[in-house]
Amino acid sequence: DVKVTQSSRYLVKRTGEKVFLECVQDMDHENMFWYRQDPGLGLRLIYFSYDVKMKEKGDIPEGYSVSREKKERFSLILESASTNQTSMYLCASSLGFGQARDTQYFGPGTRLTVL
Amino acid sequence: AQTVTQSQPEMSVQEAETVTLSCTYDTSESDYYLFWYKQPPSRQMILVIRQEAYKQQNATENRFSVNFQKAAKSFSLKISDSQLGDAAMYFCAYRLNTGTASKLTFGTGTRLQVTL
Repeated sequence: DVKVTQSSRYLVKRTGEKVFLECVQDMDHENMFWYRQDPGLGLRLIYFSYDVKMKEKGDIPEGYSVSREKKERFSLILESASTNQTSMYLCASSLGFGQARDTQYFGPGTRLTVL
Repeated sequence: AQTVTQSQPEMSVQEAETVTLSCTYDTSESDYYLFWYKQPPSRQMILVIRQEAYKQQNATENRFSVNFQKAAKSFSLKISDSQLGDAAMYFCAYRLNTGTASKLTFGTGTRLQVTL
């Protein structure tokens, strides 16, 4: 089974702190994604990566950055956390693109609260 | 930009009954994929069913089936013989088939309750 893990289930940070959210997948997937999930808004893509050291902006990249130094790990960085970044953050990975390779497998999520 | 609309924030169904969740999308493209994902309470999101736009035949997975109406840009999910374990948030999603990197666009979700 594909396993996508996230470093924390719950995280509480203060405004202005630098926050790192880590995601690891164990199935040699090419693509990794970061979403935030808010009630009434569904999932919105922040960033994704289709290869090591490669990244693409999603729909809401402002205030975030990402890092993918190794294939299995994709980090989301909040440079200076703000209260409007309080949300559930979901990581996902997929084998590739096209046919069934693009099925995304999700991690359990990190609920981040910024005070 | 593509948009995905789920007009039913909440639905309820009795155990063993059938329920249909609605999804419409807006795109000017012809080659794309559509998905239904399920997110149980406090559990990870999983793929329920997947449909390629070029296929006219509706996808089915056991008790789950879709009604894909390409001209109407409609993609509803039917759950037959509903079970308590079907209670979850269901998200409809769209992905353009570019052959390379492209993103999923999600709807806002429908929360399904299953009652005894």
